[in-house]
This record gives sequence, structure tokens and C-alpha cells, in this order.
Amino acid sequence: EPEVTQTPSHQVTQMGQEVILRCVPISNHLYFYWYRQILGQKVEFLVSFYNNEISEKSEIFDDQFSVERPDGSNFTLKIRSTKLEDSAMYFCASSVRGRGDEQYFGPGTRLTVT
Amino acid sequence: AQKVTQAQTEISVVEKEDVTLDCVYETRDTTYYLFWYKQPPSGELVFLIRRNSFDEQNEISGRYSWNFQKSTSSFNFTITASQVVDSAVYFCALNKGGGSEKLVFGKGTKLTVNP
Repeated sequence: EPEVTQTPSHQVTQMGQEVILRCVPISNHLYFYWYRQILGQKVEFLVSFYNNEISEKSEIFDDQFSVERPDGSNFTLKIRSTKLEDSAMYFCASSVRGRGDEQYFGPGTRLTVT
Repeated sequence: AQKVTQAQTEISVVEKEDVTLDCVYETRDTTYYLFWYKQPPSGELVFLIRRNSFDEQNEISGRYSWNFQKSTSSFNFTITASQVVDSAVYFCALNKGGGSEKLVFGKGTKLTVNP
């Protein structure tokens, strides 16, 4: 069964460093997403991406964040200058269609900023 | 604005008991979509079900069933004859449709099924 994959599973970085989180969505899916979950809290939407551009973003997704689909398979989230409060589990998801469609999530990348 | 409330933070049951997880949502949209996801201890989010606002039929899938009631803005999830493998955090989520793809999640209910 096709699944969303994410690398790395765990990333430790120092405050102020740049990190890139990588995702490979399900191959026939057209919509891609990033969510985050601070430890023990609810899952929060960051950004959705369709047709090579951002279709929606939350207030969390400020200028420190960017997304890219550098080739036909990868989807990346870059945090330019990490802060302690960026420590969280970051989930990538994908769906065939947009609104209302079920989103399939990857296993997550745990980001720890020290 | 959309909101999802899962009032039960934690539930603990003994194996074979039935358990219902509550979900109450708020939206002003007439077209919207509701979801349940399971997050086992390993951490991934597993899709369980999707419902649109025009389909109030209850659904059953094996030991799982869902009760959607627009009149009370609720989309409750029942596990019949619970098993230890059902232990997880369960999230209810809402998509308002209308060009938005984002899922708004509730805070989750942690279910522990004891042997």
C-alpha cells in the first residue's frame, strides 16, 4: 500500500540553524501539506501546496518557513533560523484532491531545537 | 472560525468494553467534512473515516462505528469490544471546504485499553 515517507525521523539542531525536513508524498496525489504537533498538544496546520504553489498557510507559517517541491517526488519544509519553540513533530500529508479529501500522513519528523 | 472540541482528555477501559469518543464541532459553513484519525504510541497519524455534511448516515466498519448528528454538531466514534491494540490518541478533525484544504484538529482523546 502506498504511503507517505519522511526523513529524517529525528533531527536535532541548534537555535538559529537552518533545517530542511523532507517528505515523499504518495505518487498520484496532487495536494501536499505540512502540520506540526508540539509534544502532547493538538495537530496544527502549517501550509498546503498545490500546482507548485502555496494554496493556504496559517499564521504559524511566517517568513522563517518555506516549502518547495524540488523534483517530481520530494516535498520539503525549510525553517530558516530555528527557535526553541519550533521543537515539535512535523507531519507531511498528501491527498488526491483538495478540500474535503482524506489526507494521508507520514510518520513524522521529530525536530528538537537546543 | 472552525473549532473542534473533544472534551474527554483521557479514557481508560478494560478490554471488551465498548467505548464512545465524543467530538463536537463548530462551523458556519453548510458544506464541510469531518474526519477521525488514530495516533498510536508509535506516533503516526492513521486515517480512519471521512464524512461530508450532507451524509448523516451512520457508518460501521468492523468494531468501529460513527454517529454523525448535525442537529447537535457531533460526530462521535464508538469502539465495540475494545482491544489493547485500540490504545491510542484519537483525533477528530474538520475541513470547512470552500477552497480550504486545512484540517482543524481537536485536542484528542487518549484511550487506554487495559487487559
